[in-house]
Amino acid sequence: QVQLVQSGAQVQKPGASVRVSCKASGYTFSSFHIHWVRQAPGQGLEWMAIINPSGGFTTYARNFQDRITVTRDTSTSTVYMDLSSLKSEDTAVYYCARLATRDVDVWGQGTTVTVSS
Amino acid sequence: DIQMTQSPSSLSASVGDRVTITCRASQGIRSDLGWFQQEPGKAPKRLIYDASSLQSGVPSRFSGSGYGTEFTLTISRLQPEDFATYFCLQHNSFPYSFGQGTKLEIK
Repeated sequence: QVQLVQSGAQVQKPGASVRVSCKASGYTFSSFHIHWVRQAPGQGLEWMAIINPSGGFTTYARNFQDRITVTRDTSTSTVYMDLSSLKSEDTAVYYCARLATRDVDVWGQGTTVTVSS
Repeated sequence: DIQMTQSPSSLSASVGDRVTITCRASQGIRSDLGWFQQEPGKAPKRLIYDASSLQSGVPSRFSGSGYGTEFTLTISRLQPEDFATYFCLQHNSFPYSFGQGTKLEIK
């Protein structure tokens, strides 16, 4: 079945970086863009980025422009989200998602990133 | 950037009620809008795409309408499993943006 499986929870110190992975299966990896969305505790959803796995092209939200890098490895059907210079406000659940308009949406299970000294 | 203003932020209703949630876009987004439901501790799930099209498998009591800057999600007869948080998402232009969310609670 179509699924996105994310890497496990992480705890990082302020100023550090974090990498979250998202492994796709059950469909042609290059055919669907992957989004990154995060949700701080008790807060709403925040769109962060999108990658086209076919060419690797990315677009980032302005809030993260200088700190985020999204890449993909087509050999393993995996997308990576790197976020640097972490602050306590980056504590959140990070989701990858396939949101193609006319297909059923597919979400990863979420990865909790905690930033704490 | 396009700002999505969602209202109300919370809503109390009873099983069987009809409820409406609104999203307003800061500029026209045609029908490039989806509605999502999120239960506590779970990933969101899309209910409506292209403003008014029902996602496969979603009950017909959910409906969406609107075009341009004003959009609504209506739940015609609330069921116990509908008490959750709802978000809109515009995908007309980057960066995509969510509304702030509406928490639907049991009265």
